[in-house]
Amino acid sequence: KNEVEQSPQNLTAQEGEFITINCSYSVGISALHWLQQHPGGGIVSLFMLSSGKKKHGRLIATINIQEKHSSLHITASHPRDSAVYICAVGEGNTPLVFGKGTRLSVIA
Amino acid sequence: GAGVSQSPSNKVTEKGKDVELRCDPISGHTALYWYRQSLGQGLEFLIYFQGNSAPDKSGLPSDRFSAERTGGSVSTLTIQRTQQEDSAVYLCATLLTSGTEAFFGQGTRLTVV
Repeated sequence: KNEVEQSPQNLTAQEGEFITINCSYSVGISALHWLQQHPGGGIVSLFMLSSGKKKHGRLIATINIQEKHSSLHITASHPRDSAVYICAVGEGNTPLVFGKGTRLSVIA
Repeated sequence: GAGVSQSPSNKVTEKGKDVELRCDPISGHTALYWYRQSLGQGLEFLIYFQGNSAPDKSGLPSDRFSAERTGGSVSTLTIQRTQQEDSAVYLCATLLTSGTEAFFGQGTRLTVV
């Protein structure tokens, strides 16, 4: 079974800071998902990656397949980015395995 | 529909009663997951349906939990003889197929009193 580790568990940043959240996994995968969950809110998908890098607005996600590692970057962070960010990995038809999440607080 | 729909959004039930939670996936999505999230905790896998394959039930915490997916579309998660520790948000996620983007429902908040 894949083990997914996220770091840090908690992160507090000042508005405008560049933020990096990391995700490592133990077994080769076919896809990695970055998800966002606002307090009291539902889960939304930010990215699905199988290789390389994706960018959407101020969010950038990268994955290194050889190192079994992915990073989620937020540029020019804003208080509305405050949420839990969750990494999930999948291989073939096996169930997605989730990390425990990184709780981000961005202070104005 | 446009997204994954779950019902009810909230359910309060008495200990010992049975409950049924429903998930309407995005049309055409073959992969469907049930997860639960207890207060302040991460996501706990419950069950996974992929097309016509036998479901992966390895995450179900006890035999009080069961799920089915009729016609490859709507899924129901049934919890029999509910216990207080069953209180959680139950989330459904669907994918077009494995290895594609995951879409989550808003969840059903179950409270067992």
